[in-house]
Amino acid sequence: GDSVTQMEGPVTLSEEAFLTINCTYTATGYPSLFWYVQYPGEGLQLLLKATKADDKGSNKGFEATYRKETTSFHLEKGSVQVSDSAVYFCALRQVDSSYKLIFGSGTRLLVRP
Amino acid sequence: DAGVIQSPRHEVTEMGQEVTLRCKPISGHDYLFWYRQTMMRGLELLIYFNNNVPIDDSGMPEDRFSAKMPNASFSTLKIQPSEPRDSAVYFCASSLSNTIYFGEGSWLTVV
Repeated sequence: GDSVTQMEGPVTLSEEAFLTINCTYTATGYPSLFWYVQYPGEGLQLLLKATKADDKGSNKGFEATYRKETTSFHLEKGSVQVSDSAVYFCALRQVDSSYKLIFGSGTRLLVRP
Repeated sequence: DAGVIQSPRHEVTEMGQEVTLRCKPISGHDYLFWYRQTMMRGLELLIYFNNNVPIDDSGMPEDRFSAKMPNASFSTLKIQPSEPRDSAVYFCASSLSNTIYFGEGSWLTVV
């Protein structure tokens, strides 16, 4: 079945460092891909999305490109801030009769001042 | 526009008690999802509805769990009787098109 694999956390960075969180997926067809962020004690917020190959989603300085050839959707940010500390979830959704959102296990990011 | 609204935000209950979690989806959304989040198992889809009809409840852990959606603006997730292993954060989410929006969760502790 469909699945999402994320890099293990926690990821600890200093402020202004470059961030990459790896995400790969296994799926049939052409799913849509998402990154959600969960701040401590809060729910999941949509960070960005891409719906077809080579699409780039971006928001708040974060970017991810839908790479079908490598089945990847890595999250990047050029300069992280302390306020970016959170758990990041990669997810896919098949646009078929199911419409289920399948999540990766999440990657905790800790940014130190 | 108000997002997905869940209640209660926090609940502590004793084992064996009935727990009812409530959700108001975003107006106009035709899909509603219930997820559970735990440290051990991550995010799990429990059940989802389309136009108030349950479509897939294969993620519901056992008969103690039930969910209803009597109308387009309200859904409940009920646990009866509750057990300590049900302690988790329960998220409700809704969508109209490709994007799913989550509520802030109901943090359940069963002691």
